[in-house]
Amino acid sequence: DIQMTQSPSSLSASVGDRVTITCRASQSINSYLNWYQQKPGKAPKLLIYAASSLQSGVPSRFSGSGSVTDFTLTISSLQPEDFATYYCHQSYTTPRTFGQGTKVEIK
Amino acid sequence: EVQLVQSGADVKKPGESLRISCKGSGYNFTSQWISWVRQMAGKGLEWMGKIDPSDSYIKYSPSFQGHVTISADKSISTAYLQWSSLKAADTAMYYCAREYGDDKWDYFDSWGQGTLVTVSS
Repeated sequence: DIQMTQSPSSLSASVGDRVTITCRASQSINSYLNWYQQKPGKAPKLLIYAASSLQSGVPSRFSGSGSVTDFTLTISSLQPEDFATYYCHQSYTTPRTFGQGTKVEIK
Repeated sequence: EVQLVQSGADVKKPGESLRISCKGSGYNFTSQWISWVRQMAGKGLEWMGKIDPSDSYIKYSPSFQGHVTISADKSISTAYLQWSSLKAADTAMYYCAREYGDDKWDYFDSWGQGTLVTVSS
């Protein structure tokens, strides 16, 4: 199985901050990397697919980059509604695997 | 609008069987795979497996193979996840998700609202 490792596991940030979350795959996954946002009690929501493509309807302050094994999710200016947990996910092969999640909390 | 609507929460005793459902609408149900994802309380997302509703071809995660059964009835646009003998460790939220594929990239673009399964004596 491909292991996905996110860092950090949690972070505290203020509204307006630039936030960066990283995800590393245990082997090459090309650009088959997706990012999701999950708020408490809700289903995950797709933000970024194919490493850097913004899902329709997602604010442009979210962006993704990277390829092969190293990927980044960036929130350019954190908004109150962005406090949530973020997961990376590889769709290069089965079994599909997720990172352990990064919880973004209010400082 | 693509929608996946899951069956409601359920409480079962250890050893009982259960089948939960995920009904798709707003798109051709047989055109995309449906995956099932487990989330235990306070924990992350775990992919369990997926089914191609057009022919019911299934891929399981090794971690869940033999413990659950995934199926689908394309005539009613519904996918299922079932257990024959539940354990307390199966207590979790279960999500279905559509795995959209455009001949190159695959991603979960639509999710059900989740079904909470509680197994307790």
